[in-house]
Amino acid sequence: GENVEQHPSTLSVQEGDSAVIKCTYSDSASNYFPWYKQELGKRPQLIIDIRSNVGEKKDQRIAVTLNKTAKHFSLHITETQPEDSAVYFCAAPRVGYQKVTFGTGTKLQVIP
Amino acid sequence: EAQVTQNPRYLITVTGKKLTVTCSQNMNHEYMSWYRQDPGLGLRQIYYSMNVEVTDKGDVPEGYKVSRKEKRNFPLILESPSPNQTSLYFCASSLGLAKTQYFGPGTRLTVT
Repeated sequence: GENVEQHPSTLSVQEGDSAVIKCTYSDSASNYFPWYKQELGKRPQLIIDIRSNVGEKKDQRIAVTLNKTAKHFSLHITETQPEDSAVYFCAAPRVGYQKVTFGTGTKLQVIP
Repeated sequence: EAQVTQNPRYLITVTGKKLTVTCSQNMNHEYMSWYRQDPGLGLRQIYYSMNVEVTDKGDVPEGYKVSRKEKRNFPLILESPSPNQTSLYFCASSLGLAKTQYFGPGTRLTVT
C-alpha cells in the first residue's frame, strides 16, 4: 500500500531561522499533497497544499515544493516564530483505493 | 458556522463495553473519515465513506465499525473495546479524496 515517510521526526530551530520538512510517497497516481499543522491539544488544520500540476506554492512565510519524479514534497517555513511550534503532518491520497495516508509527523520547536 | 463535531470529547470505559463516538458535519461534504492518532504513528485511517451508504476499510479497521445512513453523520462503533484501542480519535470530512480535510475536535478514549 501507500507509504508516506516524513522526516525529521523532531526539529528545533532558532527563531528567525528556516525549517524544512520532507515527505516521500510511493503511489505515483497521488495528485494532491497537503500539509496540516496540529498545535498542542488541538485538531489538525490545513496550512498549505499543492497539486501535481505545479512544482511550488507559496503563502507568506510557508511554501511547499513538489518533485513528482522523485516522489517527494517538502514544507518550507521561513523566518520562524514561536507560534510555528507545533506538529506538522504531510498526507497523500491513494487514488486507486480512495484512502488517505498521513506521515508520522514532525514536532517543530522554535526557540525564542 | 462550518464545522465538524464529535461526541463525547473524553471517554473512559472498560474492556468489552460497546460504545459509539458520533461525528457530524454541516458542510455537505461527501467524503468522511475516522483516524486514530498514536504517538510516533501519526494519523492512521480507520474507515472512510465516499457517500451515503458507501463505506470501506482504511488501514487499521480491526475492532471498529461505521455507518453512513445520512450524509452529515458518520458514527464510529467499538462493539467490544480493548485496551489497544486507547487512543485519540479524529473524525474528518472533505468534498472529496483530494480535497482539504476538516477535522473534528477529537475524542480521547481510554479502555481499561
